[in-house]
Amino acid sequence: GESVGLHLPTLSVQEGDNSIINCAYSNSASDYFIWYKQESGKGPQFIIDIRSNMDKRQGQRVTVLLNKTVKHLSLQIAATQPGDSAVYFCAENIRGAQKLVFGQGTRLTINP
Amino acid sequence: DVKVTQSSRYLVKRTGEKVFLECVQDMDHENMFWYRQDPGLGLRLIYFSYDVKMKEKGDIPEGYSVSREKKERFSLILESASTNQTSMYLCASSTPPSHYGYTFGSGTRLTVV
Repeated sequence: GESVGLHLPTLSVQEGDNSIINCAYSNSASDYFIWYKQESGKGPQFIIDIRSNMDKRQGQRVTVLLNKTVKHLSLQIAATQPGDSAVYFCAENIRGAQKLVFGQGTRLTINP
Repeated sequence: DVKVTQSSRYLVKRTGEKVFLECVQDMDHENMFWYRQDPGLGLRLIYFSYDVKMKEKGDIPEGYSVSREKKERFSLILESASTNQTSMYLCASSTPPSHYGYTFGSGTRLTVV
């Protein structure tokens, strides 16, 4: 029989444009957030993190924004390149826990 | 280069077989985790361990067990493999607290036929 599963959210952007990937979290006790990138056939790799006492953090071509009021996290990638094609996961650390809770992931595809 | 190594990239096993997935980390991390990853379902935690010889159930432990006899090694065991255990399995490690995130292995794609 046919297998029915959830569709992975997908974002398509033109090469050179900026990408914004969003993530909602639900636990107000979350104190630390991470974005991971997973390329095809590989394990997730750390991109950038942010603590709950911050609302913005910048890395090389990436920026993470945290809005605790609406429990929302976003990853902005500047000047998107073909090598940015991947699935991006957000993860949250709930205070007192020693394990991360992962979002479902968003697939980013780059149009030439 | 610090890393988490999963012993196999691809495995094909028959229904009913006992399957061992091995994971080794060289970072002296206390915490180790096993996840399975399925399209559209994200990463689901199977088991984790905070120390040698201890284990905790994750969100989907049924049909799995684990072993951690040494700090650097965390094994996932499928006691009797079934077709619904066909998946990508990811191992990760971290040092407490989880404020530095996880380091993941490259994954093992298991197919049960």
